Amino acid sequence: EPEVTQTPSHQVTQMGQEVILRCVPISNHLYFYWYRQILGQKVEFLVSFYNNEISEKSEIFDDQFSVERPDGSNFTLKIRSTKLEDSAMYFCATQPPGADTQYFGPGTRLTVL
Amino acid sequence: QQQVKQSPQSLIVQKGGISIINCAYENTAFDYFPWYQQFPGKGPALLIAIRPDVSEKKEGRFTISFNKSAKQFSLHIMDSQPGDSATYFCAASGGSGAGSYQLTFGKGTKLSVIP
Repeated sequence: EPEVTQTPSHQVTQMGQEVILRCVPISNHLYFYWYRQILGQKVEFLVSFYNNEISEKSEIFDDQFSVERPDGSNFTLKIRSTKLEDSAMYFCATQPPGADTQYFGPGTRLTVL
Repeated sequence: QQQVKQSPQSLIVQKGGISIINCAYENTAFDYFPWYQQFPGKGPALLIAIRPDVSEKKEGRFTISFNKSAKQFSLHIMDSQPGDSATYFCAASGGSGAGSYQLTFGKGTKLSVIP
């Protein structure tokens, strides 16, 4: 069964550094999402992406965050200048056309020191 | 208005018992209500989902009950097994254009099924 994959599984970075989290969606899926989950808390929506542009974004998704689909397959989340409070699990989710289900990847654990 | 409230925070059930997790929402634009199961270190996986045009949906040992007037929905796990021990999240989404439906999650319920 096709799966959403994410790399890296764990990223450790220094505060102020840029990080790029990568996701490979299930092929033929058209809608892409990033969510984050701070340890022990609920999953929170960051941004949705469709037709090569942002559809919606939450108040968490400020100017430090950006998303793109650079090569038509990978879907990336960039954090320009990481803060301690960016430490979390970041999940990519993808959704096929005409369906409600979002399929989540295994996540990237981001640790900002 | 975007909140989804979930209870209880944690639940301990004997093997073979019924696990019940409840959620309530406020936003009447929500029209899709999935439940996700999450094991430690893994991403959430869809368990079962319902739309408000039905009051109940059953898949195997898992049942969603939906009360539109009360804006509540619940997950029932029949014959709970130790392998069901995980964190369960309810979620909701509503049409917001362009086919993109952000999920609003509850805070999660940590279920432990003891032998």
